[in-house]
Amino acid sequence: NAGVTQTPKFQVLKTGQSMTLQCAQDMNHNSMYWYRQDPGMGLRLIYYSASEGTTDKGEVPNGYNVSRLNKREFSLRLESAAPSQTSVYFCASIWGQTQYFGPGTRLLVL
Amino acid sequence: QKEVEQNSGPLSVPEGAIASLNCTYSDRGSQSFFWYRQYSGKSPELIMFIYSNGDKEDGRFTAQLNKASQYVSLLIRDSQPSDSATYLCAVIGMDSSYKLIFGSGTRLLVRP
Repeated sequence: NAGVTQTPKFQVLKTGQSMTLQCAQDMNHNSMYWYRQDPGMGLRLIYYSASEGTTDKGEVPNGYNVSRLNKREFSLRLESAAPSQTSVYFCASIWGQTQYFGPGTRLLVL
Repeated sequence: QKEVEQNSGPLSVPEGAIASLNCTYSDRGSQSFFWYRQYSGKSPELIMFIYSNGDKEDGRFTAQLNKASQYVSLLIRDSQPSDSATYLCAVIGMDSSYKLIFGSGTRLLVRP
């Protein structure tokens, strides 16, 4: 099992460009999450999906959209990137009380 | 007031000592409490979690809850240099069983 995978690992964007961060899990988990992590801020929830076909906003959803394509995949889209979205993005899925994190995507917006 | 607060550190302890990490939470109805370890440049990994009904010990790690004072602690006995990392506290609030609220983390340095 690969667990939770994320692509790309690193991305540089210019202000105003769009991109989609991909996440997939092969553990048959129902719930999936997107977080961003900034220095000194801990992990902040952007969006989550409790089950296939449902998505809900987290703490910092502005500037992002998500798609739960199927049970395995949960993508995060930045329609018009801003420098404030420079961060490390983690995807996670949950089984019981345990969240499993992907390796992260480092995004730099110039 | 942040929902989950941690001292950013660094907390520096000598090898073999007990490291004590604390976090406070604001939601009195919180039921589940988690400790994650994150090495620099890596993703968080779960160390242990406890429910509101008791403490838990797992090897060198002990998680303790003080509900009256609304804080949870992680004790690491016989600290090793490999324990040097950032420790993230997280809480599931009463309003949702799906959302973890994370603290900003405490950096631990274990000196050889």
